[in-house]
Amino acid sequence: AQTVTQSQPEMSVQEAETVTLSCTYDTSESDYYLFWYKQPPSRQMILVIRQEAYKQQNATENRFSVNFQKAAKSFSLKISDSQLGDAAMYFCAYKESNYQLIWGAGTKLIIKP
Amino acid sequence: DAGVIQSPRHEVTEMGQEVTLRCKPISGHDYLFWYRQTMMRGLELLIYFNNNVPIDDSGMPEDRFSAKMPNASFSTLKIQPSEPRDSAVYFCASNSAGGYSPLHFGNGTRLTVT
Repeated sequence: AQTVTQSQPEMSVQEAETVTLSCTYDTSESDYYLFWYKQPPSRQMILVIRQEAYKQQNATENRFSVNFQKAAKSFSLKISDSQLGDAAMYFCAYKESNYQLIWGAGTKLIIKP
Repeated sequence: DAGVIQSPRHEVTEMGQEVTLRCKPISGHDYLFWYRQTMMRGLELLIYFNNNVPIDDSGMPEDRFSAKMPNASFSTLKIQPSEPRDSAVYFCASNSAGGYSPLHFGNGTRLTVT
């Protein structure tokens, strides 16, 4: 069965610095999709970035980018120029086609002013 | 688009009472999901629908939980009778067909059963 592992329960970073959140997954499939969601204290789940497995180019959304290593089954999230508003729980998720998302346990990101 | 709309935002009820959570998905989305989130178990999928038809309800904890989707724009999750261990945040989410389509979440309902 597919699993998603986020090995860092909590991370902290100084405001304006860069932080990387790790995510690994286990699958025997070659075609799938990966997502990062953030959940701030308001509890709203918000899509941060997504990646299609067949695309080698890493996805980027403004200050957020991923390092997708398909062979290593790794999908880390890099946040550049961290801002106070980035403080949240970050969840990594895996999906095949239209099937349900498989979620990681989440990483709590703390931004130090 | 208004996004996924859930109601109520907060619900406090006594053990044994019936609770009904409501969800309006984004128009045009084919899939609707109900999740439960707790500190202990994280995000759990309870049930999901495709074109109003329940596809997988294996995550529904027990017979006290039921979900319906009478039409493409409305779904309910009902707990009867409610128990204190049902206290959690319940999310509704929807997406369109296609693996790359992301889930869009509602703001969630925080349920407290005393």
